[in-house]
Amino acid sequence: DQQVKQNSPSLSVQEGRISILNCDYTNSMFDYFLWYKKYPAEGPTFLISISSIKDKNEDGRFTVFLNKSAKHLSLHIVPSQPGDSAVYFCAGSRNAGNMLTFGGGTRLMVKP
Amino acid sequence: KAGVTQTPRYLIKTRGQQVTLSCSPISGHRSVSWYQQTPGQGLQFLFEYFSETQRNKGNFPGRFSGRQFSNSRSEMNVSTLELGDSALYLCASSFYRGDTDTQYFGPGTRLTVL
Repeated sequence: DQQVKQNSPSLSVQEGRISILNCDYTNSMFDYFLWYKKYPAEGPTFLISISSIKDKNEDGRFTVFLNKSAKHLSLHIVPSQPGDSAVYFCAGSRNAGNMLTFGGGTRLMVKP
Repeated sequence: KAGVTQTPRYLIKTRGQQVTLSCSPISGHRSVSWYQQTPGQGLQFLFEYFSETQRNKGNFPGRFSGRQFSNSRSEMNVSTLELGDSALYLCASSFYRGDTDTQYFGPGTRLTVL
Protein backbone atom coordinates (compact mmCIF):
# COMPACT_ATOMS: atom_id res chain seq x y z
CA ASP A 1 0.00 0.00 0.00
CA GLN A 2 1.90 3.02 -1.31
CA GLN A 3 0.49 5.98 0.53
CA VAL A 4 2.88 8.40 -1.15
CA LYS A 5 3.74 8.05 -4.81
CA GLN A 6 6.19 9.82 -7.07
CA ASN A 7 5.21 8.56 -10.48
CA SER A 8 8.17 9.96 -12.39
CA PRO A 9 11.34 8.04 -11.54
CA SER A 10 13.47 10.57 -13.41
CA LEU A 11 13.35 14.08 -14.83
CA SER A 12 15.84 15.91 -17.04
CA VAL A 13 15.86 19.70 -17.22
CA GLN A 14 18.09 22.33 -18.81
CA GLU A 15 20.00 24.66 -16.52
CA GLY A 16 18.06 27.88 -15.88
CA ARG A 17 14.69 26.30 -16.60
CA ILE A 18 12.00 25.28 -14.12
CA SER A 19 12.00 21.81 -12.58
CA ILE A 20 8.63 20.48 -11.45
CA LEU A 21 8.57 17.36 -9.32
CA ASN A 22 5.23 15.79 -8.49
CA CYS A 23 3.93 13.72 -5.64
CA ASP A 24 0.54 12.11 -4.95
CA TYR A 25 -0.74 10.75 -1.67
CA THR A 26 -3.68 8.64 -0.65
CA ASN A 27 -3.76 9.05 3.13
CA SER A 28 -6.13 11.92 3.87
CA MET A 29 -4.84 11.97 7.45
CA PHE A 30 -1.53 13.45 6.36
CA ASP A 31 -1.33 17.05 7.50
CA TYR A 32 2.30 17.89 6.94
CA PHE A 33 4.46 17.34 3.88
CA LEU A 34 8.18 17.64 3.32
CA TRP A 35 10.63 17.48 0.45
CA TYR A 36 14.12 16.09 0.84
CA LYS A 37 16.91 15.74 -1.66
CA LYS A 38 19.53 13.04 -1.53
CA TYR A 39 22.97 12.78 -3.04
CA PRO A 40 24.68 9.37 -3.35
CA ALA A 41 26.34 8.16 -0.15
CA GLU A 42 24.67 10.92 1.90
CA GLY A 43 21.54 11.08 3.99
CA PRO A 44 18.50 13.03 2.77
CA THR A 45 18.74 16.80 3.19
CA PHE A 46 15.64 18.76 4.16
CA LEU A 47 14.49 21.24 1.51
CA ILE A 48 11.09 22.64 2.27
CA SER A 49 7.85 21.72 3.99
CA ILE A 50 4.19 22.68 3.93
CA SER A 51 1.34 22.32 6.37
CA SER A 52 -2.03 21.15 5.11
CA ILE A 53 -3.56 24.48 6.11
CA LYS A 54 -1.54 26.17 3.39
CA ASP A 55 -1.48 25.71 -0.36
CA LYS A 56 1.91 27.24 -1.08
CA ASN A 57 5.24 27.73 0.64
CA GLU A 58 8.31 29.41 -0.81
CA ASP A 59 11.94 29.34 0.19
CA GLY A 60 14.30 30.97 -2.27
CA ARG A 61 14.35 28.99 -5.50
CA PHE A 62 12.08 26.31 -4.05
CA THR A 63 8.29 26.47 -3.92
CA VAL A 64 5.96 23.71 -2.80
CA PHE A 65 2.32 23.67 -3.86
CA LEU A 66 -0.33 21.58 -2.14
CA ASN A 67 -3.68 20.66 -3.69
CA LYS A 68 -5.58 18.90 -0.93
CA SER A 69 -8.65 18.08 -2.98
CA ALA A 70 -6.46 16.29 -5.53
CA LYS A 71 -4.12 14.90 -2.85
CA HIS A 72 -1.25 16.23 -4.88
CA LEU A 73 1.82 18.27 -4.16
CA SER A 74 4.56 19.59 -6.35
CA LEU A 75 8.00 21.08 -5.89
CA HIS A 76 9.09 23.84 -8.24
CA ILE A 77 12.75 24.75 -8.56
CA VAL A 78 13.43 28.00 -10.40
CA PRO A 79 15.96 28.45 -11.87
CA SER A 80 17.36 24.95 -11.91
CA GLN A 81 21.10 24.58 -11.39
CA PRO A 82 23.43 21.63 -12.09
CA GLY A 83 24.01 21.30 -8.34
CA ASP A 84 20.31 20.49 -7.96
CA SER A 85 20.92 17.13 -9.65
CA ALA A 86 19.94 14.59 -6.99
CA VAL A 87 17.13 12.27 -5.98
CA TYR A 88 14.15 14.12 -4.52
CA PHE A 89 11.78 12.51 -2.03
CA CYS A 90 8.45 13.79 -0.85
CA ALA A 91 7.10 12.62 2.49
CA GLY A 92 3.90 12.97 4.47
CA SER A 93 3.15 12.74 8.16
CA ARG A 94 0.12 12.65 10.45
CA ASN A 95 -0.32 15.11 13.28
CA ALA A 96 2.91 16.74 12.04
CA GLY A 97 4.74 13.88 13.72
CA ASN A 98 8.08 12.34 12.96
CA MET A 99 6.78 9.13 11.41
CA LEU A 100 7.38 10.06 7.79
CA THR A 101 5.98 8.10 4.86
CA PHE A 102 8.18 8.61 1.83
CA GLY A 103 7.55 8.39 -1.88
CA GLY A 104 9.87 6.36 -4.08
CA GLY A 105 11.89 9.36 -5.22
CA THR A 106 12.49 11.21 -8.50
CA ARG A 107 15.97 11.54 -9.93
CA LEU A 108 16.46 15.07 -11.23
CA MET A 109 19.23 15.75 -13.74
CA VAL A 110 19.95 19.38 -14.56
CA LYS A 111 22.03 19.70 -17.69
CA PRO A 112 24.43 22.64 -18.13
CA LYS B 1 26.66 22.83 14.84
CA ALA B 2 27.65 19.23 14.14
CA GLY B 3 25.16 17.16 12.17
CA VAL B 4 23.76 13.74 12.87
CA THR B 5 26.51 11.14 13.03
CA GLN B 6 26.15 7.43 12.50
CA THR B 7 28.60 4.66 13.19
CA PRO B 8 29.78 2.53 11.62
CA ARG B 9 29.33 3.76 8.06
CA TYR B 10 29.72 0.32 6.53
CA LEU B 11 29.14 -3.12 7.97
CA ILE B 12 29.24 -6.67 6.61
CA LYS B 13 27.56 -9.46 8.52
CA THR B 14 26.43 -12.99 7.79
CA ARG B 15 22.97 -14.48 8.09
CA GLY B 16 21.95 -15.30 11.64
CA GLN B 17 24.24 -12.76 13.27
CA GLN B 18 23.07 -9.68 15.07
CA VAL B 19 24.15 -6.09 14.59
CA THR B 20 24.01 -2.83 16.53
CA LEU B 21 24.06 0.55 14.83
CA SER B 22 24.65 3.84 16.60
CA CYS B 23 23.33 7.35 16.07
CA SER B 24 24.32 10.62 17.71
CA PRO B 25 21.72 13.35 17.12
CA ILE B 26 22.31 17.04 16.62
CA SER B 27 23.06 18.70 19.94
CA GLY B 28 19.80 19.68 21.64
CA HIS B 29 17.65 17.36 19.57
CA ARG B 30 15.58 14.99 21.64
CA SER B 31 13.83 12.91 19.02
CA VAL B 32 15.63 10.22 17.05
CA SER B 33 14.02 8.22 14.26
CA TRP B 34 15.35 5.32 12.25
CA TYR B 35 14.60 4.48 8.62
CA GLN B 36 15.53 1.65 6.32
CA GLN B 37 16.24 2.31 2.63
CA THR B 38 16.24 -0.54 0.12
CA PRO B 39 15.93 -0.50 -3.67
CA GLY B 40 12.70 -2.48 -3.53
CA GLN B 41 10.84 -0.86 -0.63
CA GLY B 42 12.35 2.62 -0.64
CA LEU B 43 12.60 4.62 2.57
CA GLN B 44 10.60 3.05 5.38
CA PHE B 45 10.10 4.22 8.94
CA LEU B 46 11.37 1.85 11.63
CA PHE B 47 10.79 3.62 14.94
CA GLU B 48 11.12 6.89 16.80
CA TYR B 49 12.48 7.54 20.27
CA PHE B 50 11.88 10.60 22.39
CA SER B 51 13.16 11.05 25.93
CA GLU B 52 14.28 7.40 26.02
CA THR B 53 10.80 6.14 25.13
CA GLN B 54 9.68 4.60 21.86
CA ARG B 55 6.99 6.93 20.56
CA ASN B 56 6.20 5.43 17.17
CA LYS B 57 6.90 2.12 15.50
CA GLY B 58 6.76 1.12 11.86
CA ASN B 59 5.74 -2.18 10.36
CA PHE B 60 8.88 -4.22 10.97
CA PRO B 61 9.32 -7.56 12.75
CA GLY B 62 10.41 -7.77 16.36
CA ARG B 63 13.96 -8.59 15.25
CA PHE B 64 14.36 -4.84 14.83
CA SER B 65 14.66 -2.99 18.10
CA GLY B 66 16.11 0.20 19.39
CA ARG B 67 16.77 2.28 22.42
CA GLN B 68 17.67 5.80 23.38
CA PHE B 69 19.99 6.93 26.11
CA SER B 70 19.65 9.89 28.47
CA ASN B 71 22.00 11.96 26.25
CA SER B 72 19.59 11.31 23.30
CA ARG B 73 22.05 9.04 21.53
CA SER B 74 20.30 6.04 20.03
CA GLU B 75 21.11 2.53 18.98
CA MET B 76 19.20 0.09 16.84
CA ASN B 77 19.69 -3.63 16.91
CA VAL B 78 18.80 -6.26 14.35
CA SER B 79 18.91 -9.85 15.53
CA THR B 80 19.04 -13.02 13.46
CA LEU B 81 20.01 -11.17 10.31
CA GLU B 82 18.44 -12.15 6.99
CA LEU B 83 19.66 -11.40 3.49
CA GLY B 84 16.75 -8.99 3.06
CA ASP B 85 18.06 -6.84 5.89
CA SER B 86 20.79 -5.57 3.59
CA ALA B 87 20.02 -1.89 3.36
CA LEU B 88 21.04 1.65 4.15
CA TYR B 89 19.93 2.47 7.69
CA LEU B 90 19.33 6.14 8.28
CA CYS B 91 18.96 7.97 11.52
CA ALA B 92 17.22 11.33 11.76
CA SER B 93 16.98 13.74 14.67
CA SER B 94 14.68 16.62 15.46
CA PHE B 95 14.12 19.01 18.33
CA TYR B 96 10.44 18.16 18.60
CA ARG B 97 8.51 21.21 19.72
CA GLY B 98 5.19 19.42 19.62
CA ASP B 99 4.08 20.89 16.33
CA THR B 100 5.58 20.93 12.86
CA ASP B 101 9.01 19.51 13.11
CA THR B 102 11.91 18.96 10.73
CA GLN B 103 14.04 15.86 10.79
CA TYR B 104 17.71 16.03 9.88
CA PHE B 105 19.30 12.89 8.57
CA GLY B 106 22.70 11.36 9.12
CA PRO B 107 24.77 9.81 6.31
CA GLY B 108 23.53 6.30 7.10
CA THR B 109 25.05 2.92 7.82
CA ARG B 110 25.31 0.58 4.84
CA LEU B 111 24.63 -2.96 6.11
CA THR B 112 25.41 -5.92 3.88
CA VAL B 113 24.24 -9.36 4.96
CA LEU B 114 25.95 -12.30 3.28
